[in-house]
Amino acid sequence: DVKVTQSSRYLVKRTGEKVFLECVQDMDHENMFWYRQDPGLGLRLIYFSYDVKMKEKGDIPEGYSVSREKKERFSLILESASTNQTSMYLCASSLSPRRHTEAFFGQGTRLTVV
Amino acid sequence: KNQVEQSPQSLIILEGKNCTLQCNYTVSPFSNLRWYKQDTGRGPVSLTIMTFSENTKSNGRYTATLDADTKQSSLHITASQLSDSASYICVVTPQAGTALIFGKGTTLSVSS
Repeated sequence: DVKVTQSSRYLVKRTGEKVFLECVQDMDHENMFWYRQDPGLGLRLIYFSYDVKMKEKGDIPEGYSVSREKKERFSLILESASTNQTSMYLCASSLSPRRHTEAFFGQGTRLTVV
Repeated sequence: KNQVEQSPQSLIILEGKNCTLQCNYTVSPFSNLRWYKQDTGRGPVSLTIMTFSENTKSNGRYTATLDADTKQSSLHITASQLSDSASYICVVTPQAGTALIFGKGTTLSVSS
């Protein structure tokens, strides 16, 4: 079974704190993604990475950064958390979308910024 | 602009009934189209994946269809169960680029 594991299910952080969300996959997938999911807006892509040390901005990268030092790990960083970053964060990985393999998602991290 | 639109936004049906969810997309050309099920508070889980050359794909009581000419896909759920209550998300992968394009999902509630 492919596993995508996110470090926390629930997090509560204070405004201005630096927040790290960690994601690990165990299937040697090339691509990894970070999304946020908000009611009525669906999933929106924050950043993705198609290789170690490579990253690409998604649709809403402002206020976020990422790190991919190892193939299996993709971290999302909120440099200075703000209340509008309260959301459900989902990590996903895939071997390659064009090989018609599916993307696997983690269980999600519900982040609340107070 | 590449878009994926789903309808209806929400749906309530009685247990045992069938239902069909719709997905219209403008992504072209595309590599594949997937349907995911997302239970409340959990990550999405894949139900089906179809390439542009496939018309239908089944996974138990779930059957997805694809019409590449009209750029429409549907997900048909047969003999619904309470556990089918979830959000169903249509996702399209463009041929160019890596990122997936998500619909906003249809929220299905199955009641007894």
